[in-house]
Amino acid sequence: AQKITQTQPGMFVQEKEAVTLDCTYDTSDQSYGLFWYKQPSSGEMIFLIYQGSYDEQNATEGRYSLNFQKARKSANLVISASQLGDSAMYFCAIENYGGSQGNLIFGKGTKLSVKP
Amino acid sequence: GAVVSQHPSRVICKSGTSVKIECRSLDFQATTMFWYRQFPKQSLMLMATSNEGSKATYEQGVEKDKFLINHASLTLSTLTVTSAHPEDSSFYICSARILTPGQNNSPLHFGNGTRLTVT
Repeated sequence: AQKITQTQPGMFVQEKEAVTLDCTYDTSDQSYGLFWYKQPSSGEMIFLIYQGSYDEQNATEGRYSLNFQKARKSANLVISASQLGDSAMYFCAIENYGGSQGNLIFGKGTKLSVKP
Repeated sequence: GAVVSQHPSRVICKSGTSVKIECRSLDFQATTMFWYRQFPKQSLMLMATSNEGSKATYEQGVEKDKFLINHASLTLSTLTVTSAHPEDSSFYICSARILTPGQNNSPLHFGNGTRLTVT
């Protein structure tokens, strides 16, 4: 069975500084994908970044980068130059490609607060 | 811009009534859509997979007679909460995937969610 662990229920960061949100996962599958989503207070889920299990390079998307350490089964999200609009819940999720498509397993989330 | 549209965003209904939530894929066809449920301050839980032209696949513990799913077209899936009760109050959110030829692992795009309150 797959599992996502986000150990930080809440994080604070000063505006313009970088912040790392932790995510560890557990899966017995060799082929899987890791996703990060942002959920503002309005509720929508916004896709941020994706890392495939066979991707050798860490994924980057603008200010977002994913620190993928496969041996340690971790997929931490790094947000550089934090902005006030980054304040939101952040969810890490895993999808095993050997199983049902779309069965994203989400972590409990980390609430990020950016201080001015 | 949004690629998945969900309606309504908020609904309040009386106990015993039914509520229908629509999920539309914008500018792409979605043979498969997914319905999630999120309780306050909790994570998203997959409820069911909606398949165009066939029956939905429900996750363990989700009552298929309670949560009716219809995926009658390639761009529309509906979730109907039948005989709603206060414990059904939750945030329901749908998602779909844009399939790109040659790319197997595209992300799920989510609608803006529907906050259901049953009084």
